[in-house]
Amino acid sequence: NAGVTQTPKFRILKIGQSMTLQCTQDMNHNYMYWYRQDPGMGLKLIYYSVGAGITDKGEVPNGYNVSRSTTEDFPLRLELAAPSQTSVYFCASNPPNQPQHFGDGTRLSIL
Amino acid sequence: EDKVVQSPLSLVVHEGDTVTLNCSYEVTNFRSLLWYKQEKKAPTFLFMLTSSGIEKKSGRLSSILDKKELFSILNITATQTGDSAIYLCAASVGGGTSYGKLTFGQGTILTVHP
Repeated sequence: NAGVTQTPKFRILKIGQSMTLQCTQDMNHNYMYWYRQDPGMGLKLIYYSVGAGITDKGEVPNGYNVSRSTTEDFPLRLELAAPSQTSVYFCASNPPNQPQHFGDGTRLSIL
Repeated sequence: EDKVVQSPLSLVVHEGDTVTLNCSYEVTNFRSLLWYKQEKKAPTFLFMLTSSGIEKKSGRLSSILDKKELFSILNITATQTGDSAIYLCAASVGGGTSYGKLTFGQGTILTVHP
């Protein structure tokens, strides 16, 4: 039982490039979330999903897209990377009425 | 707009001291209040509070929620250097019957010196 696994751990992108941050969980949780954490700040919700095939926007969705084709996977896509997207990205999941558990994060720098 | 505010933003203490971290919230459709500890990587879960006035304890850590005054506190007694971390408070909001989106505060950076 690996919990929530995020890949890659680190990445440097050039402005305008695209990439996908991977998130997978092996706990059969329906609910999954993507957050970003900027230096000295708390986490902000980007997108979330309540089950396969269902996604919805959070507080800061602009510049990102998600998909949820399976219960296990919830990838986050950046289409045109911008410096403002430099951040640490966390994926989380939870079962009903239980706290969210987080992956170790992806540190992304856009230069 | 949902808002969670933590205070103080940073705190420096010596081992053995007792600390109190504060969290106030203004959110619609409140479900519960969560505390997380963040060291170098992922936030790790400490407490989830749904009822007012009921203290939750885990070792030297304890927390309580006041839903009338819209705040929570996290107490750490006999602090140790291993308690040095960022402590995050989050309000779980909305979400139908069984899930909740988290709105986080900015965190309190706790530094414990030997």
